[in-house]
Amino acid sequence: GAGVSQSPSNKVTEKGKDVELRCDPISGHTALYWYRQSLGQGLEFLIYFQGNSAPDKSGLPSDRFSAERTGGSVSTLTIQRTQQEDSAVYLCASSLGPGTRTEAFFGQGTRLTVV
Amino acid sequence: TQLLEQSPQFLSIQEGENLTVYCNSSSVFSSLQWYRQEPGEGPVLLVTVVTGGEVKKLKRLTFQFGDARKDSSLHITAAQPGDTGLYLCAGEGEYGNKLVFGAGTILRVKS
Repeated sequence: GAGVSQSPSNKVTEKGKDVELRCDPISGHTALYWYRQSLGQGLEFLIYFQGNSAPDKSGLPSDRFSAERTGGSVSTLTIQRTQQEDSAVYLCASSLGPGTRTEAFFGQGTRLTVV
Repeated sequence: TQLLEQSPQFLSIQEGENLTVYCNSSSVFSSLQWYRQEPGEGPVLLVTVVTGGEVKKLKRLTFQFGDARKDSSLHITAAQPGDTGLYLCAGEGEYGNKLVFGAGTILRVKS
């Protein structure tokens, strides 16, 4: 597609339920990032993919969070047993890859609300 | 692990004032980018600086890359309410590592 696409744009879920957030990066972009942003705050790094592998998953806050990427394209961020503190906007970004000095393109984000 | 620290974290100023946002690291970056995020949108690239000591201007915004390529600054002259948003710096590691983002500076310009 023309840009990074994230779905759903909004998700309201009950505490304890699992959620899946999807990111479709720009075609050909090998690098993919997931960030979390609480209301009125900066970015919190979650995980970085290069191709299908995740060389840096140091930002995942707990073992309830996991992510995968298949075919070097679509990525899914899964949050199990959601908690209210998981409520935030989850942003995905993609770029051509390391060493290219090219910009990261962000999606519009998924606003997750845990009630 | 390469880290980028931004300061200040929050900044609230009156229209017409000048401001500077700083981005610092102990690591060397091959390039550094500045992004701006408006409410409800994803961050969008403003500029990329590559050479140590480089200065780039974008209207009232001046971006500088430190001589040692470890730090950068963004200076806004005569801020306007339309400048309100989150400003992020991001560095690409010297050896082609992943892009590292600072946590951001939230700027509010009051009219």
